[in-house]
Amino acid sequence: AIQMTQSPSSLSASVGDRVTITCRASQGIRNDLGWYQQKPGKAPKLLIFGASSLQSGVPSRFSGSGSGTDFTLTISSLQPEDSATYYCLQDYDFPFTFGPGTKVDIK
Amino acid sequence: EVQVLESGGGLVQPGGSLRLSCAASGFTFSGYAMSWVRQAPGKGLEWISYIRSSGGSTYYADSVKGRFTISRDNSNNTLYLQMNSLRAEDAAVYHCAKDLRVPVGGVTFSAFDIWGQGTMVTVSS
Repeated sequence: AIQMTQSPSSLSASVGDRVTITCRASQGIRNDLGWYQQKPGKAPKLLIFGASSLQSGVPSRFSGSGSGTDFTLTISSLQPEDSATYYCLQDYDFPFTFGPGTKVDIK
Repeated sequence: EVQVLESGGGLVQPGGSLRLSCAASGFTFSGYAMSWVRQAPGKGLEWISYIRSSGGSTYYADSVKGRFTISRDNSNNTLYLQMNSLRAEDAAVYHCAKDLRVPVGGVTFSAFDIWGQGTMVTVSS
């Protein structure tokens, strides 16, 4: 199975900061990667699919990039409502696999 | 409103069985692949199973292969997860999710756009 890692595991940033989360795959996955946001007690929410395509209704401050093995999720200007845990998910091959998550807190 | 609603969770003894259901509404259920994803208390998300829209192909995580079976009833807009030989480590909130399956530049990506709130499974004697 393809292993996914994320860094950092957690971060704390101020409102307005630019935040970058990295996801790495154990083998090349083209750009078959999605990003999901999860708030405590809530279901995950799709942010990005295909590594860089923004899901309808998601604010444009969220963006994704990368291909092959290295991917990033960027929040261009962090907002209070962005406090959450972010997960990457590879859909290149079964079994699909999530990264361990990155918890984002607001200072 | 497009939504999915899980049910069937509860307390089961180790080695026992449970069947989860996921009722879909607001979209053409038969046109979409579906997945089950779980989250143990305080842990991250774990993808566990996937079924194509027709039900003809199914896929599993190694952790549940041979014990869990995903299925669907397109006539009743319902997804199922039959869970056998349950272990303590299967305790989690189980979510079902709809795969949007988005074509972009000749490639189709999975994109789980609709999720249920989940149903809790507890495995304990």
